[in-house]
Amino acid sequence: GAGVSQSPSNKVTEKGKDVELRCDPISGHTALYWYRQSLGQGLEFLIYFQGNSAPDKSGLPSDRFSAERTGGSVSTLTIQRTQQEDSAVYLCASSPDSHGTDTQYFGPGTRLTVL
Amino acid sequence: DAKTTQPNSMESNEEEPVHLPCNHSTISGTDYIHWYRQLPSQGPEYVIHGLTSNVNNRMASLAIAEDRKSSTLILHRATLRDAAVYYCIRRFGNEKLTFGTGTRLTIIP
Repeated sequence: GAGVSQSPSNKVTEKGKDVELRCDPISGHTALYWYRQSLGQGLEFLIYFQGNSAPDKSGLPSDRFSAERTGGSVSTLTIQRTQQEDSAVYLCASSPDSHGTDTQYFGPGTRLTVL
Repeated sequence: DAKTTQPNSMESNEEEPVHLPCNHSTISGTDYIHWYRQLPSQGPEYVIHGLTSNVNNRMASLAIAEDRKSSTLILHRATLRDAAVYYCIRRFGNEKLTFGTGTRLTIIP
């Protein structure tokens, strides 16, 4: 079946502009996660959605970052007034989130470059 | 804080077994041990996970120490496609994954 998809695959923007990154999780997965990975670094957690519960926003680095998940499916990560340090690969993952512990399935990522 | 310790890098010859170690000395009784890997220019990929018993799947085996303070990911016969960064992660339930710096595995032809 279809995996997690993300769009765009690449985004180049100018400092100060707003950007929106999209994630389509695997159908039926109730949990959705956003991470980012700066060049040569490990993954950094940003935000976690689980069903209709309030999202865990503890990883968002500043109030310029926000995310929505509409209808329990598609999610959009928005970065306002982008800065050069926002340049990174933004990765989305989804999981069934059943009882116990679930595998996270990652998308290919969106490479964001802020000039 | 990844709460796990892994060597920064390892090398292995192609078609030989690879043992990737991980220390998690402060693990709690309810934390699972997950392994993910990230191939170049790709998102992370699930490899295996376990709680107490050793686990096997088509990709690898996971050997967990009796005291659960360490574990070893075993690739039985490494191929060039196994070259990746391997992450060992402690995880409670379905909380977020906390990635450390992982082990960069190089396969020598």
